This record gives sequence, C-alpha cells and structure tokens, in this order.
Amino acid sequence: NAGVTQTPKFQVLKTGQSMTLQCAQDMNHEYMSWYRQDPGMGLRLIHYSVGAGITDQGEVPNGYNVSRSTTEDFPLRLLSAAPSQTSVYFCASSYKAESRQYFGPGTRLTVT
Amino acid sequence: GIQVEQSPPDLILQEGANSTLRCNFSDSVNNLQWFHQNPWGQLINLFYIPSGTKQNGRLSATTVATERYSLLYISSSQTTDSGVYFCAEADTGRRALTFGSGTRLQVQP
Repeated sequence: NAGVTQTPKFQVLKTGQSMTLQCAQDMNHEYMSWYRQDPGMGLRLIHYSVGAGITDQGEVPNGYNVSRSTTEDFPLRLLSAAPSQTSVYFCASSYKAESRQYFGPGTRLTVT
Repeated sequence: GIQVEQSPPDLILQEGANSTLRCNFSDSVNNLQWFHQNPWGQLINLFYIPSGTKQNGRLSATTVATERYSLLYISSSQTTDSGVYFCAEADTGRRALTFGSGTRLQVQP
C-alpha cells in the first residue's frame, strides 16, 4: 500500500514550458485534490475531484488544468509555466472531501 | 470561510520536555485534523479528531467542538518531533481543508 505518490520530486522549467505533475493513490479514495504551498501563504487549493470524471476549481486554479479519468490518478497540468508558479505542490486524497486526508510527498517546482 | 488560529507560532524545546499546541476556530468544528510537516516537507496526518480525545504514542489530541478549539499534546519530545504542526478544518463549502498558519517546533538535543 503505497498511499499517495507524486512524481517528479523536483522540476525546473523555463517560462512558457508546459508539464504534468503526476499523482496516484491506491486507497480507492473518491476525493483527490491539489494544493500549492508558498511561504507566508500557507496551503491553497488549486483543483479537486470528487470522483472519476468530476473535477472542479479551487482557490487558485488559473494556469492549471486537471482531469480524472480513473479513481487512482489525478494529474495536474501546467499549461504555460510562469515564475509565479514556483512553489511546492501537494496532492491529497481522502474517502470524502471532509474525511481524513492523506498527502503525497510533494513536488518542488522552480520556474525560471 | 472558517478562520483558523494557531498558537504559539514558534516553540523551542529541550529534548524530553512536554508541550501543548492550540487551534482556535471561528466557526463550528466538524472535521478537524492535525498534521506534522517534517523538515523534509512531508505532510503527515497525525489525527482526525472532530471531537473528544485520541492518543497515538507520545502524541494526543483533544477537540472541544462546542468551544471551537483543539489541543495537541506532545510528551517527552524528541528531535524527530521538529517541524511545523498544522491544524485544519474541512470547509465543506469550498471542498477543501482550511489550514492554520502552523506552529514551528524545534526540539534541541
């Protein structure tokens, strides 16, 4: 039981490049979400999903896309990276939105 | 949305000491969780505790939902307890956790 896994652990992008952050969970959780963590700003919700085929925007969705084709996977796409997207990204999952949440190890992204 | 206040913001302890961390909430508490972010950045869920008291080894947590606060007790602290402790409440309206600003704990040998 691996829990919540994220890849890559570290990534450096140039402004304008695109990439996908991967997130997977093996706990059969319906709810998955993406947060970014920035100094002084805490953790902010980017997008979330309450089940396969269902996604919705969080607090800071601009510049990011998500899809949920399976229960297990919830990738986050950066369409055209900007320096303001330099952050640590966490994926989380839980049985329901209000249930105990489990976080992945995070991806540290730098955009130059 | 709900506001979450944590205290103290910073705490330095000698190994073996006990400590109490507190979270206050501006609204009703239904899904309170405590997390530890270790120095490597990993966020570990310590407790899911909407009410009552739970214990896990040297850590225990108490939530008094009617008074909108929660306490995290760390006994016989160890250097591995260092990091940032967050409490969070699930904001069902936003479908997200609302986190406090954290308590940064440093345990010195």
